[in-house]
Amino acid sequence: AQSVTQPDIHITVSEGASLELRCNYSYGATPYLFWYVQSPGQGLQLLLKYFSGDTLVQGIKGFEAEFKRSQSSFNLRKPSVHWSDAAEYFCAVGASATDSWGKFQFGAGTQVVVTP
Amino acid sequence: GAVVSQHPSWVICKSGTSVKIECRSLDFQATTMFWYRQFPKQSLMLMATSNEGSKATYEQGVEKDKFLINHASLTLSTLTVTSAHPEDSSFYICSARLAFGGPNYGYTFGSGTRLTVV
Repeated sequence: AQSVTQPDIHITVSEGASLELRCNYSYGATPYLFWYVQSPGQGLQLLLKYFSGDTLVQGIKGFEAEFKRSQSSFNLRKPSVHWSDAAEYFCAVGASATDSWGKFQFGAGTQVVVTP
Repeated sequence: GAVVSQHPSWVICKSGTSVKIECRSLDFQATTMFWYRQFPKQSLMLMATSNEGSKATYEQGVEKDKFLINHASLTLSTLTVTSAHPEDSSFYICSARLAFGGPNYGYTFGSGTRLTVV
């Protein structure tokens, strides 16, 4: 069965510092991997996604993620965080079977707090 | 890009009443929509898969008689929480899959509905 693990429930980072959010997945086939961000009371915004090809994926807002098959990981990074990056971040695995496209399994989320 | 409009954004209802949440695809046809639920400070859990013109498929543990899903057209899916109770208070969010296009660009999320049952 597929699963997504985000080991860090909460991360505090200083503005301007680098940020890395961890994500590990378990999936039988080639995974479709996503990172979403959710601001308080808001819906989900897609940061980036990986289906195949280059394992380093660039997203919006200066985020990037690297797919490492050997480690079953898809960690999200940002070189320099801004106060507006404070939010909840979700890693997700998308089903790859044709009839299940769009069906996601989400990790538990990582709350990011940015301090001045 | 594809937009899914979800309404209402928030709703407060009395215990025992029913609440309907709508998800509408504005500029594309969505043969399939997914409904998720998010408890406070928790992750999103898939509740059900809604296919246009057919019965919804519910995930294990989700009461289909309590969470009625209707997907009567290619642009509209509704979730009705029947006889709501305080434990149904949650954030509900839908996502829609484009009829064509595959996994690379075939879906988008609504903005969510915050339901509070008092």
